[in-house]
Amino acid sequence: QQKVQQSPESLSVPEGGMASLNCTSSDRNFQYFWWYRQHSGEGPKALMSIFSDGDKKEGRFTAHLNKASLHVSLHIRDSQPSDSALYFCAASASNYQLIWGSGTKLIIKP
Amino acid sequence: EAAVTQSPRNKVTVTGGNVTLSCRQTNSHNYMYWYRQDTGHGLRLIHYSYGAGNLQIGDVPDGYKATRTTQEDFFLLLELASPSQTSLYFCASSEDRDTEVFFGKGTRLTVV
Repeated sequence: QQKVQQSPESLSVPEGGMASLNCTSSDRNFQYFWWYRQHSGEGPKALMSIFSDGDKKEGRFTAHLNKASLHVSLHIRDSQPSDSALYFCAASASNYQLIWGSGTKLIIKP
Repeated sequence: EAAVTQSPRNKVTVTGGNVTLSCRQTNSHNYMYWYRQDTGHGLRLIHYSYGAGNLQIGDVPDGYKATRTTQEDFFLLLELASPSQTSLYFCASSEDRDTEVFFGKGTRLTVV
């Protein structure tokens, strides 16, 4: 059973636009959420983590966590062609392994 | 930045063949992982280790062995490779279970 589900599977956004990615977990033990980004030919790299309810902003990237609904989202404003990549959500409980979603493929169209 | 180096980057082997994938991390991280990545499945954990000589099974361990010889080195062994093991394999490391994970560039394995 998939404990971390991501949507959509694929997303196309015009350059300069806003991209919104979603992630929902089915385990209330999950306390920590991460977003990773994987460019073609590379391994995934961490973008940001979020542990507390509300927003966390890092540059053009904003993560939002709602623990009550077990939902975390990632919003990318002013999307650039270099943002085209596969984005993973990952969740963990304290002292447990990360559980990974299956990813969202983001395409930024010039 | 944390460095994880995998070798080889590409490998083709025949069904029933032996394959060893190598991984070295230079960050003194406690945890090391082997994942496989397949379209539609994301990252699936094969084996992991929290120190030299330690081995833990992951979510998809069948057909794979692993060995952690030192703090730095982690190997994945396929002793009777099958076409279903054709995949992109990633090695990764982290300081602790729930801290940032650093990945290598991957090994693309094809079993024909």
